Amino acid sequence: GNSVTQMEGPVTLSEEAFLTINCTYTATGYPSLFWYVQYPGEGLQLLLKATKADDKGSNKGFEATYRKETTSFHLEKGSVQVSDSAVYFCALSRDSQGNLIFGKGTKLSVKP
Amino acid sequence: DAGITQSPRHKVTETGTPVTLRCHQTENHRYMYWYRQDPGHGLRLIHYSYGVKDTDKGEVSDGYSVSRSKTEDFLLTLESATSSQTSVYFCAISGDQGETQYFGPGTRLLVL
Repeated sequence: GNSVTQMEGPVTLSEEAFLTINCTYTATGYPSLFWYVQYPGEGLQLLLKATKADDKGSNKGFEATYRKETTSFHLEKGSVQVSDSAVYFCALSRDSQGNLIFGKGTKLSVKP
Repeated sequence: DAGITQSPRHKVTETGTPVTLRCHQTENHRYMYWYRQDPGHGLRLIHYSYGVKDTDKGEVSDGYSVSRSKTEDFLLTLESATSSQTSVYFCAISGDQGETQYFGPGTRLLVL
């Protein structure tokens, strides 16, 4: 069945550093891929998505490209800010019931 | 922001008591979900609904029941709360299965 694996955290970076959070998947067919972000004390918010191979999702300076050949959807940002400190979840559709499958989350801390 | 509210936002209860959490949406979305979030486990799907009176089990449904008598409300009931059900509970909605989900702010439940 479909599954998603994202890098273990926590990740600690200095402000303005480059960020990569790895996400790989196994899937049959052509799933949609998502990155969600959860700020402290809040629910998850959609950060970006891609629905087909070679699509690039982008939002708030974050980018991720749907790579079918490497089954990856890595999240990147060129220059992180303290306000980017949060937990990031990779997700794909669908499981056997048709629902989204979430990775376990990667906690990012950005220090000034 | 998607119109999703959860109540209560915080609850402390004792082992063996029944507890009901409510999720209310104003988006008229067909699909509604209940997740729990625990350290080391990420998000786990408890139950979901694909319409009024139509529900199905998720990954961790034991000890939980749900009801959906109106499009806008999805209730999660712990029939007899146990300490292992101490968690943060999130409701989510989506217009279609396997597509973008929008999350509520969460309910923090402590079972003593």
